[in-house]
Amino acid sequence: QVQVVESGGGVVQPGRSLRLSCAVSGFTFSRYGMHWVRQAPGKGLEWVAAISDSAKQIYYADSVKDRFTISKDKSKNMVYLQMNSLTNEDTAVYFCARDLRDSWSFDYWGQGTPVTVSS
Amino acid sequence: QSALTQPASVSGSPGQSITITCTGTSSDVGAYNYVSWFQQYPGKAPKLIIYEVSKRPSGLSNRFSASKSDNTASLTISGLQAEDEADYYCTSYTSSSTWVFGGGTKVTVL
Repeated sequence: QVQVVESGGGVVQPGRSLRLSCAVSGFTFSRYGMHWVRQAPGKGLEWVAAISDSAKQIYYADSVKDRFTISKDKSKNMVYLQMNSLTNEDTAVYFCARDLRDSWSFDYWGQGTPVTVSS
Repeated sequence: QSALTQPASVSGSPGQSITITCTGTSSDVGAYNYVSWFQQYPGKAPKLIIYEVSKRPSGLSNRFSASKSDNTASLTISGLQAEDEADYYCTSYTSSSTWVFGGGTKVTVL
């Protein structure tokens, strides 16, 4: 069965960096794009970034553009989110989700990893 | 990209039907048939319940239905049950090759 498991969250000071990881299994990773979606405490969902199946197309929300980098390692079935220049507004639970092919949606989600930016 | 507009809360009695609206613009909801809906329980991951405006994932209850007209999408839950009490989010693909979510709607079963 499809599994999506995030890791790497924690407490980090403003201005510092953090890398989140997402391990996937149960499907042919090379055929699917992946997304990161976040949810600030008590708030709604916010789409963060997407990477295509081939990794040739990458997209970011304006709020993280030029600070966050999404990538994937096909040999390890892993997706990453490198987060730089973190601010308090980046505090959230970060979810990794599989792209629903040809439907521009997200079908399988991980349980999320919490990130707290605080001094 | 501004968030899609959803009512903050909707409530109904068991057995009733409720509808949640999701209003966007001609650059997102109105531009594509790529509107999805998610159900989320507190502390849990979102669950896909509708994709491509009105399609249900395999195995999902047919009590959930959805549609779209111009810039507004709608999710209807019929035969409301206690287990339907959750937060619901819409999302749409946009003309900027990004995705935008609605602010979320808390459904309360009275």
